[in-house]
Amino acid sequence: EAGVTQSPTHLIKTRGQQATLRCSPISGHTSVYWYQQALGLGLQFLLWYDEGEERNRGNFPPRFSGRQFPNYSSELNVNALELEDSALYLCASSLPGQGFYSNQPQHFGDGTRLSIL
Amino acid sequence: QKEVEQDPGPLSVPEGAIVSLNCTYSNSAFQYFMWYRQYSRKGPELLMYTYSSGNKEDGRFTAQVDKSSKYISLFIRDSQPSDSATYLCASPKRGSNYKLTFGKGTLLTVNP
Repeated sequence: EAGVTQSPTHLIKTRGQQATLRCSPISGHTSVYWYQQALGLGLQFLLWYDEGEERNRGNFPPRFSGRQFPNYSSELNVNALELEDSALYLCASSLPGQGFYSNQPQHFGDGTRLSIL
Repeated sequence: QKEVEQDPGPLSVPEGAIVSLNCTYSNSAFQYFMWYRQYSRKGPELLMYTYSSGNKEDGRFTAQVDKSSKYISLFIRDSQPSDSATYLCASPKRGSNYKLTFGKGTLLTVNP
């Protein structure tokens, strides 16, 4: 079974540009999550999509946005890139949870390393 | 106080040693606990997933949860150089709409 796949592996941008990162979840998984892993800060929750809808977002500015497509793949867009956006961006997917509190474990891809020059 | 605290290490042990990795959490809203292993330049890989207090064993790995003291542990028996990685504890907080809260991770090196 294929795992979570992310593209591109590495992305180099300059300040002020826009970046688009892509994620394909494990087959059968409908929930997609985005996390940022910046040096010294650990993994920080960015966004959660389920059934095409944004369900929750972390403490990030609105220039971080995304969407989920009908095939459950997802895109993360970062506008007006800043130097501190340099990080590993990880996508995870899970089976649908039940109710308000999920007990479905999340499975991660290998990430997109975004470097801002 | 951070919601999930984890000693960042680094931790260096000889091959064959028993490794103990630990996390503490701040409140009872955390109910489910996961341990992930992350190799350099890779994404986190789910190792263990547990809910109840007590022990859960999978091969050389044992996850332990003590909800009364809000303490979770991962034990690795007969550690191997291939176990060298960063180990992350994580939990979805009740009412957080499915987002995982992670510890900062512990860097483990197993020396041959």
